[in-house]
Amino acid sequence: AQTVTQSQPEMSVQEAETVTLSCTYDTSESDYYLFWYKQPPSRQMILVIRQEAYKQQNATENRFSVNFQKAAKSFSLKISDSQLGDAAMYFCAAGFGNEKLTFGTGTRLTIIP
Amino acid sequence: DADVTQTPRNRITKTGKRIMLECSQTKGHDRMYWYRQDPGLGLRLIYYSFDVKDINKGEISDGYSVSRQAQAKFSLSLESAIPNQTALYFCATSDFGRGLRANEQFFGPGTRLTVL
Repeated sequence: AQTVTQSQPEMSVQEAETVTLSCTYDTSESDYYLFWYKQPPSRQMILVIRQEAYKQQNATENRFSVNFQKAAKSFSLKISDSQLGDAAMYFCAAGFGNEKLTFGTGTRLTIIP
Repeated sequence: DADVTQTPRNRITKTGKRIMLECSQTKGHDRMYWYRQDPGLGLRLIYYSFDVKDINKGEISDGYSVSRQAQAKFSLSLESAIPNQTALYFCATSDFGRGLRANEQFFGPGTRLTVL
């Protein structure tokens, strides 16, 4: 079975500090796509960053970057210079080649002023 | 204007009632999806449709049905609502083909459904 696991239900970080959210997955596919979505209190699902498995270079979007370790099947999200607006639920998701997404259970991130 | 819209945004209903949640999109995408979100469980796929004539069950389709009225419209129905269907429901879309654009999904704002 193809699975996505987020082992940290909750995380907190001091404002302006850096935090890393963990995500692991399990698949036998060689071609797949990984995503991090942010869900703020407004409940809207917002795409934060994407990574294509065939690309070795880690994706970066402003203060958000990923550490993609294909052999370890790990896809962590790093948020630098954390801001109050980063407080949200973060979901890791993977598309394993069948054009459907499998989601993790989410990590709730709290920003401490 | 939002690319993916859902109506209603919030709904309270009673056990046994029939209810329909509607989704419309202006992204021109062929593929549409319905998910439910429950605390601690993430998002789980209910149904998905890759074009107007294609409907597929997801991992939790029991108690739900869908209708793809047009490329831009995909409705989710609860024929006889029960309390454990209380959840946040999301519609999503993605482009056709394969690769990144087929896997990247765009979400509506969600519908909060409460079944009493």
